[in-house]
Amino acid sequence: DVKVTQSSRYLVKRTGEKVFLECVQDMDHENMFWYRQDPGLGLRLIYFSYDVKMKEKGDIPEGYSVSREKKERFSLILESASTNQTSMYLCASSFSGRGTDTQYFGPGTRLTVL
Amino acid sequence: QKEVEQDPGPLSVPEGAIVSLNCTYSNSAFQYFMWYRQYSRKGPELLMYTYSSGNKEDGRFTAQVDKSSKYISLFIRDSQPSDSATYLCAGSNYQLIWGAGTKLIIKP
Repeated sequence: DVKVTQSSRYLVKRTGEKVFLECVQDMDHENMFWYRQDPGLGLRLIYFSYDVKMKEKGDIPEGYSVSREKKERFSLILESASTNQTSMYLCASSFSGRGTDTQYFGPGTRLTVL
Repeated sequence: QKEVEQDPGPLSVPEGAIVSLNCTYSNSAFQYFMWYRQYSRKGPELLMYTYSSGNKEDGRFTAQVDKSSKYISLFIRDSQPSDSATYLCAGSNYQLIWGAGTKLIIKP
């Protein structure tokens, strides 16, 4: 079974703090993704990575950065958290970058920025 | 206008009813269409996918794509309380574009 794990289920941070969200997958997948999910807006792609040290901006990269130093690990960084970044963050991985490939999701991290 | 439109609901139906979940899309280049199911406090999981137009059936679930009208449907027969979840549709040519998700509640 593919397993995607995320470092925290719930996180509360203060405005201006630097926030790290970590994601690990155990299936040797090439591609990893970070989404945020908000009511009525669905899943919005923040960044994705198709290889170690490679990254591509998604639809809403502003205020976020990412790091992929190892194939199994993909980190999302909020350099200076703001209240409008309060959201559910979901990490996913897939075997390749083809749009047909199944994406496997982690359980999500609910981030609250006060 | 979003590329994939989906009514967020909630949609509440009695147990045993036939459920119809729908999406519309605007990108004619989409060739693949997916339905993911997301239970509360979990990540989405792939339920079904179809290529181009037509129907695909898997047990109580049928996915239908009408490319002429740019309409995607998921039908659930004999709905069960365990089907209560958020259902997300997505279209793809090379990248997945997601709908907002419809929250479905099956009442016992």
